[in-house]
Amino acid sequence: ETGVTQSPTHLIKTRGQQVTLRCSSQSGHNTVSWYQQALGQGPQFIFQYYREEENGRGNFPPRFSGLQFPNYSSELNVNALELDDSALYLCASSLGDRKNSPLHFGNGTRLTVT
Amino acid sequence: QQQVKQSPQSLIVQKGGISIINCAYENTAFDYFPWYQQFPGKGPALLIAIRPDVSEKKEGRFTISFNKSAKQFSLHIMDSQPGDSATYFCAASSTDKLIFGTGTRLQVFP
Repeated sequence: ETGVTQSPTHLIKTRGQQVTLRCSSQSGHNTVSWYQQALGQGPQFIFQYYREEENGRGNFPPRFSGLQFPNYSSELNVNALELDDSALYLCASSLGDRKNSPLHFGNGTRLTVT
Repeated sequence: QQQVKQSPQSLIVQKGGISIINCAYENTAFDYFPWYQQFPGKGPALLIAIRPDVSEKKEGRFTISFNKSAKQFSLHIMDSQPGDSATYFCAASSTDKLIFGTGTRLQVFP
């Protein structure tokens, strides 16, 4: 069973730039959720994709967008980067057909905005 | 109403001791309460979870106690080991969106 993999592991960007983060979900999972974890804080829900459709969104501005592909992998795009976007971005996959199916997290992408 | 409050922020326990982490919530619609363990440089990993129809759930050395009327739940780690040193997050949800607490950094000394 392949776990959740995220790429890249680390990334440094300049304020105002755009970034794309990638996630491959665990085998058999059809739902992907993205979370932002600031240093010393708990993860904050960004949005979730179920069968290629956005299925819930947290309190993040529209410059945070995403995609889910037919193989259930996913991308998180952030436009017009701000310094406060510096964080660990976590992807989690689950089996969305069952409510409260356990989330399986990847090890994240550490984004630094300078 | 969407917050989950977690305490303490940090905890130091001697090997063999009991580690206790507490969480409180306000939203009575929450119906799923997992605990996650996170090591440095890693993503959170599900440790144990409970639903509000039971007051306690035990898996090995880890126990969740749940008090529905007080809207509180806690994680007990029995016989704490140095390998348990990590950050622990409680969470709650009523959909598939998890609301996480702010985390407790546990250090277990030999």
